[in-house]
Amino acid sequence: DAGITQSPRHKVTETGTPVTLRCHQTENHRYMYWYRQDPGHGLRLIHYSYGVKDTDKGEVSDGYSVSRSKTEDFLLTLESATSSQTSVYFCAISESIDLEAFFGQGTRLTVV
Amino acid sequence: GEDVEQSLFLSVREGDSSVINCTYTDSSSTYLYWYKQEPGAGLQLLTYIFSNMDMKQDQRLTVLLNKKDKHLSLRIADTQTGDSAIYFCAVQNTGGFKTIFGAGTRLFVKA
Repeated sequence: DAGITQSPRHKVTETGTPVTLRCHQTENHRYMYWYRQDPGHGLRLIHYSYGVKDTDKGEVSDGYSVSRSKTEDFLLTLESATSSQTSVYFCAISESIDLEAFFGQGTRLTVV
Repeated sequence: GEDVEQSLFLSVREGDSSVINCTYTDSSSTYLYWYKQEPGAGLQLLTYIFSNMDMKQDQRLTVLLNKKDKHLSLRIADTQTGDSAIYFCAVQNTGGFKTIFGAGTRLFVKA
């Protein structure tokens, strides 16, 4: 299995609080992605990174920010969590944009 | 915008073949993937096909692509209870960062 670790695996937080999810990889892959998975929607891309300090928005980026200061870490931050951000968040990595993406185990976030 | 559609549920008996269907709207899709998600886990790539192919077989898995109809299918032969999972169809353009996922088809395998 590709070395991807997401932390935390589960989190419950209150509306309006900041939350940071971490994705850590040991594969030295260039590309990293954050998705959210919601019933009936499949996976939707939030943000992605194509290198250290190089990030861009996906289709559902509002309310989220990301940072990548090292190859191995990609952080997803919810500046002020809302109930609509309750979801399962997946990190993925790939060596190239047209090669297989490997997924982490997911983080279940509940905003109450 | 681009869309990928799948039926939400499929139920088969153990030993039968399963066929999971997917339709997509972006005719410039170059890479087409099937991912499997087991409970509590991330997605795992099962197989993929390039748009210049119309069929790919990999052991019990057969992928068929009809580019004209923008239809992709995954056939699992001799379906086992361990195949119970959610299967996602995903499509990607050449040079595109954006992979579009379907909502997933939940496969139930009855013993």
